[in-house]
Amino acid sequence: KQEVTQIPAALSVPEGENLVLNCSFTDSAIYNLQWFRQDPGKGLTSLLLIQSSQREQTSGRLNASLDKSSGRSTLYIAASQPGDSATYLCAVPISGGYNKLIFGAGTRLAVHP
Amino acid sequence: KAGVTQTPRYLIKTRGQQVTLSCSPISGHRSVSWYQQTPGQGLQFLFEYFSETQRNKGNFPGRFSGRQFSNSRSEMNVSTLELGDSALYLCASSFGAGQETQYFGPGTRLLVL
Repeated sequence: KQEVTQIPAALSVPEGENLVLNCSFTDSAIYNLQWFRQDPGKGLTSLLLIQSSQREQTSGRLNASLDKSSGRSTLYIAASQPGDSATYLCAVPISGGYNKLIFGAGTRLAVHP
Repeated sequence: KAGVTQTPRYLIKTRGQQVTLSCSPISGHRSVSWYQQTPGQGLQFLFEYFSETQRNKGNFPGRFSGRQFSNSRSEMNVSTLELGDSALYLCASSFGAGQETQYFGPGTRLLVL
């Protein structure tokens, strides 16, 4: 049974710091991994999707890496800003489960000026 | 291109009532998935519809049901509401081939009194 864990659960940093958020999964037979952002009370915004054949994916100040063999992904946020404050979630699809995603509990990030 | 829309955005119901939530996917997307998000359980998969057929179902009681129409719009219904059904209900759409980027709507906040 696939389980997804995110560490840390919460993070508070001053503006300008470079951050690393971690995501681990128990079943390495994944097709891809997706990172989302969720603002309080809102829906999820897709940030990055990494296919299993890829090692990294970048979008602006965000960089996500994937190591299937160790069951890990990291989301790197460069030069954090107060607008980055949100909960970040990673999710993997169930093998053979079409679009059924298993989510981690998320990392709640607060970037203060 | 318009994003995923969900209606209504907020609902207050009492125990024992039933409720219907609606989701309109991104134009051209044929897959719609539903998730329940609560502080205690996080994001949990309810079901997925593709071309009017349910092709995946999560571990929820039969009180939770859904359907998809020929225009890919989807509805989910919860009958005999319980206090524990209070949650943010999110739908996500994708093109439909499976295991691809999913785009989430803003959610419907349901409060059961």
